[in-house]
Amino acid sequence: DGGITQSPKYLFRKEGQNVTLSCEQNLNHDAMYWYRQDPGQGLRLIYYSQIVNDFQKGDIAEGYSVSREKKESFPLTVTSAQKNPTAFYLCASGRGAIIYNEQFFGPGTRLTVL
Amino acid sequence: AQKVTQAQTEISVVEKEDVTLDCVYETRDTTYYLFWYKQPPSGELVFLIRRNSFDEQNEISGRYSWNFQKSTSSFNFTITASQVVDSAVYFCALRYANFGNEKLTFGTGTRLTIIP
Repeated sequence: DGGITQSPKYLFRKEGQNVTLSCEQNLNHDAMYWYRQDPGQGLRLIYYSQIVNDFQKGDIAEGYSVSREKKESFPLTVTSAQKNPTAFYLCASGRGAIIYNEQFFGPGTRLTVL
Repeated sequence: AQKVTQAQTEISVVEKEDVTLDCVYETRDTTYYLFWYKQPPSGELVFLIRRNSFDEQNEISGRYSWNFQKSTSSFNFTITASQVVDSAVYFCALRYANFGNEKLTFGTGTRLTIIP
């Protein structure tokens, strides 16, 4: 089945540690996105990538890093510089060049910093 | 700047009642796209509908209907004869219609609870 997978579903991290969240898609989409969701808030864009080996900062990129070495994969690293990393992280993909297309979302990773 | 406002934080209705979720947006663009997503307890966002700014026709899909009015910058979502499975958080979102700027601006969501 085509779709977006995120792993792990739950992640616990100690303060000061970097952690990488996985996002894989087999929809052959060019564009991929990372969003952060906090309780009672909408989704906020962290980073996005329209093509392999290229990515742009979103609204809240500080303390995060990404890579896009393969079309199917867009991992997000939450670094120790992110002051408040506990949140629900959602990955999405879309046919970026077709501007009216919707984004499809993965099941999310809930990160908790202990 | 773009902004999406969902003023209803939480709504509870009894099963089989109709319910309308409000969405008001702000944008300086004349061409843009509006979306509704559903987020069930599992967490994954499920796409419901896309509407472009040139198309003000209302749309109906089963028990769901959407009312887009540019004059009031609103894109409201109505569920008719609600069911328990409709319980979720619903997000309205807005997107620019230009290449290279694909950011979706989300509202804060409305948590809908259908009481059996």
